[in-house]
Amino acid sequence: DVKVTQSSRYLVKRTGEKVFLECVQDMDHENMFWYRQDPGLGLRLIYFSYDVKMKEKGDIPEGYSVSREKKERFSLILESASTNQTSMYLCASRPLGGANEKLFFGSGTQLSVL
Amino acid sequence: AQTVTQSQPEMSVQEAETVTLSCTYDTSESDYYLFWYKQPPSRQMILVIRQEAYKQQNATENRFSVNFQKAAKSFSLKISDSQLGDAAMYFCAYTATSSGSARQLTFGSGTQLTVLP
Repeated sequence: DVKVTQSSRYLVKRTGEKVFLECVQDMDHENMFWYRQDPGLGLRLIYFSYDVKMKEKGDIPEGYSVSREKKERFSLILESASTNQTSMYLCASRPLGGANEKLFFGSGTQLSVL
Repeated sequence: AQTVTQSQPEMSVQEAETVTLSCTYDTSESDYYLFWYKQPPSRQMILVIRQEAYKQQNATENRFSVNFQKAAKSFSLKISDSQLGDAAMYFCAYTATSSGSARQLTFGSGTQLTVLP
């Protein structure tokens, strides 16, 4: 079975902390994504990567950065966590191909910033 | 900018009955793909069904089918013979064909479906 694994299911951090959310996929996919899910807002794209060391901003990149040093791993970094970053974070991957390729998702990390 | 609208935050259906979830979108592109994703309580999002805009025939996957109205920019999901396992949050999503696989999907706000025994 193909898998996208997010390192933590639940995470509680303090305001101002540096937070790392890790995502690993075992499908050799080129494309990886970080989404944020909030009630009533659906999924919003934070950053995505189409190759190692390559990244592009999504719709809401402010306050976030990403790292992709290896093909299978895509990390989301909150440089200085704030309470408005309390949310569900979903990682996804997708193979190289057409726009009809489906996304494979992890199980999400529910982050609370106190 | 493309937008996807799901106007029903919550829906419920009796087990074995049929339910339709609504989705409308706005785009100036002529060629694109539309998707329905399901997020059960486990939070693992999975693809339910996808539709290519240039295909007039509505996509079907077992009990799931879509009603794709390109002119009206409408893409509804019909679930027949609803089962308890269908209870989930359903998201409609859009991507332009020109985007390629590296580009993002635009998601709607979701519809929470409850299946009543």
